[in-house]
Amino acid sequence: DIQMTQSPSSLSASVGDRVTITCQASQDINNYLNWYQQSPGEAPKVVIYDASNLATGVPSRFSGGGSGTDFTFTISSLRPEDVGTYYCQQYDNVPLTFGGGTKVEIK
Amino acid sequence: QVQLVQSGAEMKKPGASVRISCKASGYDLSTYYMHWVRQAPGQGLEWIGIINPGGGGTHSAQKFQGRVTMTTDTSTSTGYMDLSSLTSEDTAVYYCARDSYWPISSNDFYYNYMDVWGTGTTVSVSS
Repeated sequence: DIQMTQSPSSLSASVGDRVTITCQASQDINNYLNWYQQSPGEAPKVVIYDASNLATGVPSRFSGGGSGTDFTFTISSLRPEDVGTYYCQQYDNVPLTFGGGTKVEIK
Repeated sequence: QVQLVQSGAEMKKPGASVRISCKASGYDLSTYYMHWVRQAPGQGLEWIGIINPGGGGTHSAQKFQGRVTMTTDTSTSTGYMDLSSLTSEDTAVYYCARDSYWPISSNDFYYNYMDVWGTGTTVSVSS
């Protein structure tokens, strides 16, 4: 199985801060990587697909990058509604696997 | 409006089985793959498996093989996941989710991103 390692596991930042999360795959996943946001008590929602494409309706302050095994997810200017846990997920190979999650809080 | 509405919470004893339903509306269930994903309390997301509602084919993670059965009833636009031989480690919120890949193949699985998620079903397993 492909292991997805996310860091940090949690972070606290101020409104307006730039926030970056990293995700490392245990092998090359050909950019088959998605990012999901899970707000407290809700189901996950896709934010970025194919490593760098913004999902429909998602604000442009979110972005994704990287290739091969190393990927990043960035919120350019953190807003209160961005609080939640973010997960990367690979779909290059089954079983599909998720990172452990990064919990984002407002300082 | 595209949505997936799941059945209500379940409480089961160890060794029992559970069936969760996932009713699709706003789209043709038979034209998109459906995933099942779970989340244990305070934990991350875990992929269980996928079903092709058109052809009925399924693929599940190895740890669930032999214990999970995924089916769909296109006449009622409903997907089902049955999980047997429950233990306390199966206590989790279970989600169905649509894969955005389209059009689906009758014989193979292709993956993209999960673009619509169900409402979630809490399954608690305790003696």
